[in-house]
Amino acid sequence: GENVEQHPSTLSVQEGDSAVIKCTYSDSASNYFPWYKQELGKRPQLIIDIRSNVGEKKDQRIAVTLNKTAKHFSLHITETQPEDSAVYFCAASSGAGYSTLTFGKGTMLLVSP
Amino acid sequence: GAGVSQSPSNKVTEKGKDVELRCDPISGHTALYWYRQRLGQGLEFLIYFQGNSAPDKSGLPSDRFSAERTGESVSTLTIQRTQQEDSAVYLCASSPHGTGDEKLFFGSGTQLSVL
Repeated sequence: GENVEQHPSTLSVQEGDSAVIKCTYSDSASNYFPWYKQELGKRPQLIIDIRSNVGEKKDQRIAVTLNKTAKHFSLHITETQPEDSAVYFCAASSGAGYSTLTFGKGTMLLVSP
Repeated sequence: GAGVSQSPSNKVTEKGKDVELRCDPISGHTALYWYRQRLGQGLEFLIYFQGNSAPDKSGLPSDRFSAERTGESVSTLTIQRTQQEDSAVYLCASSPHGTGDEKLFFGSGTQLSVL
């Protein structure tokens, strides 16, 4: 089955800095890669996703890049703000019928004012 | 309802007791998922329903865990003879079609504590 590794497990940055979280996956059939944000005590919520037919996707201050050859994808957050502090999970799925998301173990991002 | 609803929000039980956790998905969502989140850990897949059938139950950790879904709606996750290592947040999620490449809508979870 799919295995998703995520690094780092914790990341501390100063407000305004950029943050990068990296994930690798094992199943070459995977073609859907979402990122979920979980604020303390709240439910995970989708913030951005990318499919294997594109290499990069941006949404305001967040972007995701995908390298299918190397089987890794990354989340980039620019101009970080204290409200970006949360646990971020990457995930991978083949997107085929009856496929399910496999999540990484999460990265706790702390943004200091 | 407006979102995925789970009950109870908190459950404290004694080792060896059985517990039932309930999930009400978004109306019309075909797919329903159960995940387990241990403290400080990631989202561990337990089981997936497409309609009332469970094509993937590979994540259930032991035969003490079971789940069902009825009416293509409500799902119940049952843990028999609970152990301390079962303590975790149990998250339910639903999605419109279960294609594996669509947004999951999560509930707020049930915090299970086994004493």
